[in-house]
Amino acid sequence: NAGVMQNPRHLVRRRGQEARLRCSPMKGHSHVYWYRQLPEEGLKFMVYLQKENIIDESGMPKERFSAEFPKEGPSILRIQQVVRGDSAAYFCASSSRQGLDGYTFGSGTRLTVV
Amino acid sequence: DAKTTQPTSMDCAEGRAANLPCNHSTISGNEYVYWYRQIHSQGPQYIIHGLKNNETNEMASLIITEDRKSSTLILPHATLRDTAVYYCIVRGDYGGSQGNLIFGKGTKLSVKP
Repeated sequence: NAGVMQNPRHLVRRRGQEARLRCSPMKGHSHVYWYRQLPEEGLKFMVYLQKENIIDESGMPKERFSAEFPKEGPSILRIQQVVRGDSAAYFCASSSRQGLDGYTFGSGTRLTVV
Repeated sequence: DAKTTQPTSMDCAEGRAANLPCNHSTISGNEYVYWYRQIHSQGPQYIIHGLKNNETNEMASLIITEDRKSSTLILPHATLRDTAVYYCIVRGDYGGSQGNLIFGKGTKLSVKP
């Protein structure tokens, strides 16, 4: 039973390019959460999705960032026109029953903007 | 923001019990206490959670005071691999979007040989 799969593990983008981060939840999990961790800082909630629905995007920057969780396929976190300040580790978590039994986190994608 | 207070850091000798405290004095009746940890640069790992009864699993024990205003995570025999940042999180069964995990700064536990 594979855990939460995130890819790529490392992503390097030049300023102005687009970054696409993928997250496949654990089998049977229909709730997905994205968190961002800046260097030497804590985890910050970004967005919570269920299949085809954004439930809570209160932590998402207003511009350049978007997320989706389509009916088929992984959840995607998309960052357009990346800037150096977007360099961070992005973690995805999944859960069943809205996480009452805990979230399972992936290993993260380390985004470096050069 | 997180509604918990934890010490910034703690040390523990290898093989001894690590007792990590957490204050959550404003916890309400339907809120659970969750513990996660993050080993350097890895994804956070769920440890345990509870409502009002003490809980134990293969990783740790969770002791919640009778008034539920504080709790203690116990790692019974700490090893070097338990060195990590430990997060105590209060989360309710609200439904909808209000039950997201909000991480604070946590306690950095250093297990020393």
